[in-house]
Amino acid sequence: GENVEQHPSTLSVQEGDSAVIKCTYSDSASNYFPWYKQELGKRPQLIIDIRSNVGEKKDQRIAVTLNKTAKHFSLHITETQPEDSAVYFCAAASNNNDMRFGAGTRLTVKP
Amino acid sequence: EPEVTQTPSHQVTQMGQEVILRCVPISNHLYFYWYRQILGQKVEFLVSFYNNEISEKSEIFDDQFSVERPDGSNFTLKIRSTKLEDSAMYFCASEDGGELFFGEGSRLTVL
Repeated sequence: GENVEQHPSTLSVQEGDSAVIKCTYSDSASNYFPWYKQELGKRPQLIIDIRSNVGEKKDQRIAVTLNKTAKHFSLHITETQPEDSAVYFCAAASNNNDMRFGAGTRLTVKP
Repeated sequence: EPEVTQTPSHQVTQMGQEVILRCVPISNHLYFYWYRQILGQKVEFLVSFYNNEISEKSEIFDDQFSVERPDGSNFTLKIRSTKLEDSAMYFCASEDGGELFFGEGSRLTVL
């Protein structure tokens, strides 16, 4: 089955700096890579996703890149704000049937 | 905006007891999922359900677990004989081939 590795486990940045979170996956059949933001005690919420036919996707301050050959994908948050502080999970799935999550990255943005 | 609803929000039970967690997915969605998140850990896939049958299950989803869609709206997760290690937040999710929507979760505490 799919195995998703996520790094780093914790990340602390100054407000305004960029944050990068990296994930690798093992199953070459995976073709859907969402990123979720989870605030303390809340449900995971989708913030951005990418499919395997695309190499990069951007939505305002967040962007995701995918390297299918190397089986890794990354989340980039620019101009970070304190409200970006949360746990971020990457995930990988083939046709959404068996989505597997990374271990999560706790992002802290210091004002 | 339509959302996935889960009940109960919190359940406390004695070890060995049966527990049923209930979910009402978004009405026009076709795929349903249960995930588990032990406190402070990553979101773990349990099972996916499509066309009234399990389409995929993880190694966590053993014989103690079962899922059912007893009517047109509810999607339930039953744990037959709870163990201490079943204590976790259980998230239901649904999707229609696109974004995965999570419920707010049911926190299960096994004493």
